[in-house]
Amino acid sequence: EVLLQQSGAELVRPGSSVKISCKASGYTFTDYFIHWVKQRPEQGLVWMGRINPANDNIVYAEKFRSKATLTADKSSNTAYMQLSSLTSEDTATYFCITHWFTYWGQGTLVTVSS
Amino acid sequence: DIVMTQSPTSMSISVGDRVTMNCRASQNVGSNVDWYQQKTGQSPKLLIYKGSNRDTGVPDRFTGSGSGTDFTFTITNMQAEDLAVYYCMQSNSFTFGSGTKLEVK
Repeated sequence: EVLLQQSGAELVRPGSSVKISCKASGYTFTDYFIHWVKQRPEQGLVWMGRINPANDNIVYAEKFRSKATLTADKSSNTAYMQLSSLTSEDTATYFCITHWFTYWGQGTLVTVSS
Repeated sequence: DIVMTQSPTSMSISVGDRVTMNCRASQNVGSNVDWYQQKTGQSPKLLIYKGSNRDTGVPDRFTGSGSGTDFTFTITNMQAEDLAVYYCMQSNSFTFGSGTKLEVK
């Protein structure tokens, strides 16, 4: 069974950074891209970017190019997304996804507040 | 960027209704449109991929059609468990529609 287990909710200060994890199981980690999607409270879905764990090739959506950093650790089958210079606009649930959007993590809520 | 214009924003429906929603792409995306269902507090779930293909285990009351710029998603014989927000997404460069919320009439 394919599973994506994401790290827990985060409460962070404005201006700081946060790193979210997404641990994959039930398939060969390097066979499929990991995508990341943002959903602000009561809002729609926005694609942020994707990483190919096989070769670390990354594509970012233009608006997240300076906000997000995607990495993947093949030794632990875990993908990461670091968000920097956080503002209230970054308060959202972040999802990791694999297998061409078939399997989604449970989401990680990041709340930016002082 | 390819913009996906989804309509309507919301619909009031009854069990047993036929529900239809639409997405229009700002440029030709071929058949590369998926449809997702998101229930409150849950992650989105893939229902339809590449325009008209049901994902594994998806009931046949959910159908998708269209190509090019105009796409339609239909639920025939609406069930109570289908209350959710539905999103389209073009999978060429991954932009989502704004969602259609189904509510009880």
